[in-house]
Amino acid sequence: DTAVSQTPKYLVTQMGNDKSIKCEQNLGHDTMYWYKQDSKKFLKIMFSYNNKELIINETVPNRFSPKSPDKAHLNLHINSLELGDSAVYFCASSQNGKLGPSYGYTFGSGTRLTVV
Amino acid sequence: GQNIDQPTEMTATEGAIVQINCTYQTSGFNGLFWYQQHAGEAPTFLSYNVLDGLEEKGRFSSFLSRSKGYSYLLLKELQMKDSASYLCAVLSQAGTALIFGKGTTLSVSS
Repeated sequence: DTAVSQTPKYLVTQMGNDKSIKCEQNLGHDTMYWYKQDSKKFLKIMFSYNNKELIINETVPNRFSPKSPDKAHLNLHINSLELGDSAVYFCASSQNGKLGPSYGYTFGSGTRLTVV
Repeated sequence: GQNIDQPTEMTATEGAIVQINCTYQTSGFNGLFWYQQHAGEAPTFLSYNVLDGLEEKGRFSSFLSRSKGYSYLLLKELQMKDSASYLCAVLSQAGTALIFGKGTTLSVSS
């Protein structure tokens, strides 16, 4: 049973296309996140949702739009893809937005997006 | 805001001990985490410190000094499988998200 699952695992697409990445968690966590990891391995937060409510929206181009239909799902839609969007996108979840002892995040396995 | 610094790369040999340092500046401290990330995989949780002192967990230990804004991860009896990136992270001031450093890539050789 996968705790946090992301699809697809790999995504290769052309500049200008629109694509979506899906994330689902079966841990009963209240909070979900999207992180972007660039080629230098820097993991940077993009968005966070708590019980379907957006609580973190970092400085991200508005071509990126997260959607949370329920607390178990957080999808990421990207419009007009650019070369610089190429990265690994990680979904994560945590309980109640509290990252207390022993728990932290549970990460999905990542989606490697390549824009050509 | 937060600022987290850690060395970019480190090398060590099997069986040795290595210490990975992390310094941070944050307007409010709510805890510090260490994660391990193997190439092509997701980060996995290693440790959490919110009080000063040393937390030991098998071959891995993590230390925190809040007054110095300093933490380290100590890896003992290094194995080849410990070759990975080690990410230091602090909770945001609101406690709503983890802010990661740029990670330290550790290479263990035989």
